[in-house]
Amino acid sequence: EPEVTQTPSHQVTQMGQEVILRCVPISNHLYFYWYRQILGQKVEFLVSFYNNEISEKSEIFDDQFSVERPDGSNFTLKIRSTKLEDSAMYFCASSEPNRGYPLGVYEQYFGPGTRLTVT
Amino acid sequence: QKEVEQNSGPLSVPEGAIASLNCTYSDRGSQSFFWYRQYSGKSPELIMSIYSNGDKEDGRFTAQLNKASQYVSLLIRDSQPSDSATYLCAVLFSGGGADGLTFGKGTHLIIQP
Repeated sequence: EPEVTQTPSHQVTQMGQEVILRCVPISNHLYFYWYRQILGQKVEFLVSFYNNEISEKSEIFDDQFSVERPDGSNFTLKIRSTKLEDSAMYFCASSEPNRGYPLGVYEQYFGPGTRLTVT
Repeated sequence: QKEVEQNSGPLSVPEGAIASLNCTYSDRGSQSFFWYRQYSGKSPELIMSIYSNGDKEDGRFTAQLNKASQYVSLLIRDSQPSDSATYLCAVLFSGGGADGLTFGKGTHLIIQP
């Protein structure tokens, strides 16, 4: 069964450093997303991406964040200057085209996540 | 403000019984609703989606939606110890595929053998 993959599984970085988190969405999916989950808290939406551009972003997704689809398979999240409060699980998700569902139903499938630890 | 509310639990249910998980949401115009299961330290795993009022069944799982009451629930029949996890309710507040999900904090379910 197709699945979303993410690398690395765990990233440790020092405050102020740049990190790139990588994701390979499910191959026929068109919409891609990044979420984060701080330990003990709820899953929070960061950004969505469609047709090679950002579609929607939350208040969390400020200028230190950027996303890119550098080739036909990878989808990346870059954090330019990490802060202690960026420590969290980062999940990539993708959703399939509207296959027989009413408009607006897009099932999002999550990858295993990258645990980012900023020290 | 988009809000999804869940009782955090823990909800303890004996093995073989029905577990009932509930969720309310703030926006009456919400389009689609999802239940995810999350084991500790793992990613959310999609269980079911529902978009029309009424019930939707898939194996041991039944999702129920009442848009007038802004309420969605998940029933798990014949609960198994492997069902012990945190169950996340997620809402798509608008109708676009590019929109992010808003999650509740989740309900921690414990199935007692």
